[in-house]
Amino acid sequence: SQKIEQNSEALNIQEGKTATLTCNYTNYSPAYLQWYRQDPGRGPVFLLLIRENEKEKRKERLKVTFDTTLKQSLFHITASQPADSATYLCALPPSGYSTLTFGKGTMLLVSP
Amino acid sequence: GAVVSQHPSWVICKSGTSVKIECRSLDFQATTMFWYRQFPKQSLMLMATSNEGSKATYEQGVEKDKFLINHASLTLSTLTVTSAHPEDSSFYICSALYGDAETQYFGPGTRLLVL
Repeated sequence: SQKIEQNSEALNIQEGKTATLTCNYTNYSPAYLQWYRQDPGRGPVFLLLIRENEKEKRKERLKVTFDTTLKQSLFHITASQPADSATYLCALPPSGYSTLTFGKGTMLLVSP
Repeated sequence: GAVVSQHPSWVICKSGTSVKIECRSLDFQATTMFWYRQFPKQSLMLMATSNEGSKATYEQGVEKDKFLINHASLTLSTLTVTSAHPEDSSFYICSALYGDAETQYFGPGTRLLVL
């Protein structure tokens, strides 16, 4: 089965800096990969989807890369703000299904 | 668009009772909904896939007789935790497939505490 690895240690950065979060997966490369944001005690919120034939995708201050050779996706938040503090989850579909397997997430803390 | 609601947002019950959690897609129709469970500092674990008008598909290790799922309409799926025990205490989250069937929109979650 697919295994997803996200850094379990919280990432602490200063406001205004760029945050970079990593998602590594094993086994097969999925057709797409998604990133979600989860605040404490809340359900995840969809942020971005990147397909296997896309190297990079951007949405406002967010940028996601997808390297199928390295089996890795990087999630960047530029000009980070304290409001960006949350846990960010990487998710990808098992082969042939519309379900998603989630990583444990990485907590981001942006200090003013 | 793509708003999913859950009710209740939290519930405390005695051991042995049953609890029903509702998941609604407010502004779209969802033929497929999912139910997840999340323990503190853990990832979301898929419990079952709920398809409108048919039986739910349960993940391995999830007892279908304990976690009853009913997807009676295109906007409502319910999860009933039967004979709840303290170990069932968790954060239950539903999601619905929207649009391209690749993106899931999540409800706000229901925190269940079984005493």
